[in-house]
Amino acid sequence: NAGVTQTPKFQVLKTGQSMTLQCAQDMNHEYMSWYRQDPGMGLRLIHYSVGAGITDQGEVPNGYNVSRSTTEDFPLRLLSAAPSQTSVYFCASRNRGGRNEQYFGPGTRLTVT
Amino acid sequence: SQQGEEDPQALSIQEGENATMNCSYKTSINNLQWYRQNSGRGLVHLILIRSNEREKHSGRLRVTLDTSKKSSSLLITASRAADTASYFCATVAMNSGYSTLTFGKGTMLLVSP
Repeated sequence: NAGVTQTPKFQVLKTGQSMTLQCAQDMNHEYMSWYRQDPGMGLRLIHYSVGAGITDQGEVPNGYNVSRSTTEDFPLRLLSAAPSQTSVYFCASRNRGGRNEQYFGPGTRLTVT
Repeated sequence: SQQGEEDPQALSIQEGENATMNCSYKTSINNLQWYRQNSGRGLVHLILIRSNEREKHSGRLRVTLDTSKKSSSLLITASRAADTASYFCATVAMNSGYSTLTFGKGTMLLVSP
């Protein structure tokens, strides 16, 4: 199993540009999440999904959209990039329920100039 | 807002010494998990302790949980240089439908040879 994969690994955008960060998992996990990690802030939840067709907002959803058309894929869209969205983005997945470990992708380092 | 808060923010020790990190949280939880993050990588699950457990061991890791104080500690015994990483606690809240993990800001551990 590849686990959780993310593309691209690095990306530089100009303010106002849009892009999609890709995330895929091959473990048949129902739950998937997107986090951003900023220095001194830990991980903050952007959006999450508890199954195909079901998404919800996390702590910092503004400026981001998600959709979940399949169990495997959970892309994160930046609608109009801003310098405040410069961060490292992590996708994660786990099985249903609260007592299951979360598996993380390797991250996407995004810089918005 | 962040649920867990780790203490200390940074810890520097010599190989062979023990490392203790603490985590405090705010609301009632279903379980608490600890993760490790090596520089530039995604997070890796270390250990999970349920709300009805007080102590758990896994290899050189020992986790305690005090629900009355809303706190947990992670002890790494006989530290190695390879333990150098950031460590995060994450909680699954009782009222979240078990669907989201909330992470603290992390403790950065440096183990010198």
